[in-house]
Amino acid sequence: GAGVSQTPSNKVTEKGKYVELRCDPISGHTALYWYRQSLGQGPEFLIYFQGTGAADDSGLPNDRFFAVRPEGSVSTLKIQRTERGDSAVYLCASSFAGGYGYTFGSGTRLTVV
Amino acid sequence: DQQVKQNSPSLSVQEGRISILNCDYTNSMFDYFLWYKKYPAEGPTFLISISSIKDKNEDGRFTVFLNKSAKHLSLHIVPSQPGDSAVYFCAASGSNYKLTFGKGTLLTVNP
Repeated sequence: GAGVSQTPSNKVTEKGKYVELRCDPISGHTALYWYRQSLGQGPEFLIYFQGTGAADDSGLPNDRFFAVRPEGSVSTLKIQRTERGDSAVYLCASSFAGGYGYTFGSGTRLTVV
Repeated sequence: DQQVKQNSPSLSVQEGRISILNCDYTNSMFDYFLWYKKYPAEGPTFLISISSIKDKNEDGRFTVFLNKSAKHLSLHIVPSQPGDSAVYFCAASGSNYKLTFGKGTLLTVNP
């Protein structure tokens, strides 16, 4: 596609539920990143994929968070047992071979009630 | 502990004047710096970057200055236009492609 696509754009879930957030990167981009932006903050790094493998997952806050990219294209960020503190905008970005000039998607706004 | 700081939450300038957005960092391992622009309900858009081997990079109306000894960078927009009104994020990297962002500065350019 022309840009990075993230679905859904908005997600409201109840505390304790499981959610999946999807990211479709730009075709041909081998690097994919997930960031989280809480209210009043800048984006914070979560995880970086190069191809199918997670090259750096040091930003995942705890083991309730997991991300996959099984075919080296679409990625899914999975959050188990959601908590109110997980409410944020989750941003996905992609680039060629880990270049710095990422292209970000519009994000998924997750609200945990 | 914030490694990238944007101490001005907001800035207001008149159309046609210069906008100067500032950013400070604490991690001396950072060697690449970027500015992103963000409109509401959109993702950040890459604007301009600078490597630590340079002290200035220019792209049209946008210029980024880097002062390594002071661990300070700034983004100059000349002349400012109403369409430049957005949140500007400073970001830094230590050569592993993971970006550390500041909290952002809301720029308003008044017609």
